[in-house]
Formats: sequence, C-alpha cells, structure tokens
Amino acid sequence: QVQLQESGPGLVKPSETLSLTCAVYGFSISTNYYWGWIRQPPGKGLEWIGSIYVGGNTYYNPSLKSRVTISEDRSKNQFSLNLTSVTAADTAVYYCARGHTVMITIAYWGPGTLVTVSS
Amino acid sequence: QSALTQPDSVSGSPGQSITISCTGTSSDVGTYNTVSWYQQYPGKAPKLIISEVSNRPSGVSNRFSGSKSGNTASLTISGLQAEDEADYYCNSYTTSNTVLFGGGTKLTVL
Repeated sequence: QVQLQESGPGLVKPSETLSLTCAVYGFSISTNYYWGWIRQPPGKGLEWIGSIYVGGNTYYNPSLKSRVTISEDRSKNQFSLNLTSVTAADTAVYYCARGHTVMITIAYWGPGTLVTVSS
Repeated sequence: QSALTQPDSVSGSPGQSITISCTGTSSDVGTYNTVSWYQQYPGKAPKLIISEVSNRPSGVSNRFSGSKSGNTASLTISGLQAEDEADYYCNSYTTSNTVLFGGGTKLTVL
C-alpha cells in the first residue's frame, strides 16, 4: 500500500524559506510516476506547486517558479519542497502526492501539513 | 495561468442528480483527455473519483460519472446521498506542461 507523509516546520517567519519533506512508503519513487506538491490555503481551493519525475526532471507552477525547488533523495525514498521568501499568502495546508503526467490522476495523497507564515 | 472554472456551489435533494462543470480552454481541457475529479471532505486530503475524463477508479461508486465536451468537463452524481456532501475539484494537464486545478465546488445535499 502506497503511503505518503509530509514533515517539516508548522511555523515559518516571513521572508524565510519553507522546507517540507515527503516520505514515501510501500513504493519506490524511482518508478515512472510524478511526485509533487499541492497546497490549499485555509478555506480556499487546491493549487499545484510543482512535480518531479524519475531522473530529476522538474515541473513548476509558473506563478511560483522563481521561488520553488523540488528535489528527490532516492536513498531515503523521499522528495522535498523548498519555497523561498515566504509571505502570509503562503500559509496553507501542503500536500505531497503521486500522480501521472506532471500531476493528474492523483491516486495517492499525504494527509497534509499546515504551514503558517507569521512572525 | 488561470484556474479552471467551476461553480462555487451546487445543491440537490437526496435521490436527485447533479452536474458540476469544469471549464477550461483549448490549451488544457479542450486538448487533452486528462481531466480528473476529486472529492474532499473538511480537514481531509482529496480523493480521486474520476480520471481521464470518465474512468472510475476501483472502489468508487458508479453513481459518479464524468464526461467532456469541447473545453468543458462535467462530473455527474446520480442518486444523491447525504454522504456526497463535500467539495469537488477538477484538474487538467496543459499544453505548457503544467497542471491546473478548478476553484472547487461545494455540494450541498438538501
């Protein structure tokens, strides 16, 4: 059974970098799927942040591209998100997920982790 | 890139059918048969209920169905039940090698 679990600080100061890790259990990230991040501000809709494919190819939301880096660690079977220069607008529940074709047909999601940007 | 357009809310009585639309452009919904639909309960992660426009994953009720015409995809829920009350989101691949989500639709079962 595929399971994903996000981890990282729940509180980040404005202008700092938000860093999250997604540990994957029951399935290798070194297979032909896309692994990515999606966020949901409180009371709002889903927003795709970016995805990484086996071999390290990355795809980013153009609106966030200048601030986002997604990387993988195959030895630990996990992937990570770095979002720089955060503001209150980046406060959201962050989900990691496994999907197809950049990030559709998302059959597996982590439970989500709330990250609040505040001083 | 703009989000796919969904109605903010829809409602229906138990036993009725409702349809939620997801309107994109010729750069996303209109070009690819890659529209997925997700159901989300408050405080929970979304759940995939339709993939590739009209495919139902194993375990998803056959009361859920999907279709597409031009730049608009649709999710139909028949035989509405109280447990269907949730938020619903569509998403699609785009010609820019990115992904879009719809703004989400809140379904109320009256």
